[in-house]
Amino acid sequence: AQSVTQLDSHVSVSEGTPVLLRCNYSSSYSPSLFWYVQHPNKGLQLLLKYTSAATLVKGINGFEAEFKKSETSFHLTKPSAHMSDAAEYFCVVTSASKIIFGSGTRLSIRP
Amino acid sequence: EAGVAQSPRYKIIEKRQSVAFWCNPISGHATLYWYQQILGQGPKLLIQFQNNGVVDDSQLPKDRFSAERLKGVDSTLKIQPAKLEDSAVYLCASSLGFPGSNQPQHFGDGTRLSIL
Repeated sequence: AQSVTQLDSHVSVSEGTPVLLRCNYSSSYSPSLFWYVQHPNKGLQLLLKYTSAATLVKGINGFEAEFKKSETSFHLTKPSAHMSDAAEYFCVVTSASKIIFGSGTRLSIRP
Repeated sequence: EAGVAQSPRYKIIEKRQSVAFWCNPISGHATLYWYQQILGQGPKLLIQFQNNGVVDDSQLPKDRFSAERLKGVDSTLKIQPAKLEDSAVYLCASSLGFPGSNQPQHFGDGTRLSIL
């Protein structure tokens, strides 16, 4: 069985400070893992994906994520937050034709 | 490349009425997905197609929801009759790979459905 847990429903950081959005997963098979971002009234946009190559994955807009099999985690990070990063972020796991979305983390940026 | 197109963007209907949503995926994408996103929640997969065949519709409420993908390109999702609990954003996505593969999904902007 597969599952995804986003550990924080809401994260608030100051502009220019680091961002950490946490995601834990479980999967019976080798999973593919994704992070998507959703701005208000928009569809989801792919930030990055892990597909069993390098464990540190770089994405768009300065985001990156590290796959840690021993911890079953795929946390999303960014060194310095920008006001335009304010959005909803979803962690997604796929394997064996199954697709599971996390419940989302809303990221707020304080000026 | 053109993205995933959905229409309409917004729809307001009364309960027990019917409604249909349309999706045009990215050209060449074999797999198409329909999701329901209730306010404050993550998307919930309703149905996925590979070409014009249904791969998984286990979470589609088949007593009121139906979907088709004729000719393996465009798709329509229908609700008949609508209930208040169907108020949500309906997202369409497409991908190059087979369902559940490591290929990313490309999403449309969604249709926001409000049931009065």
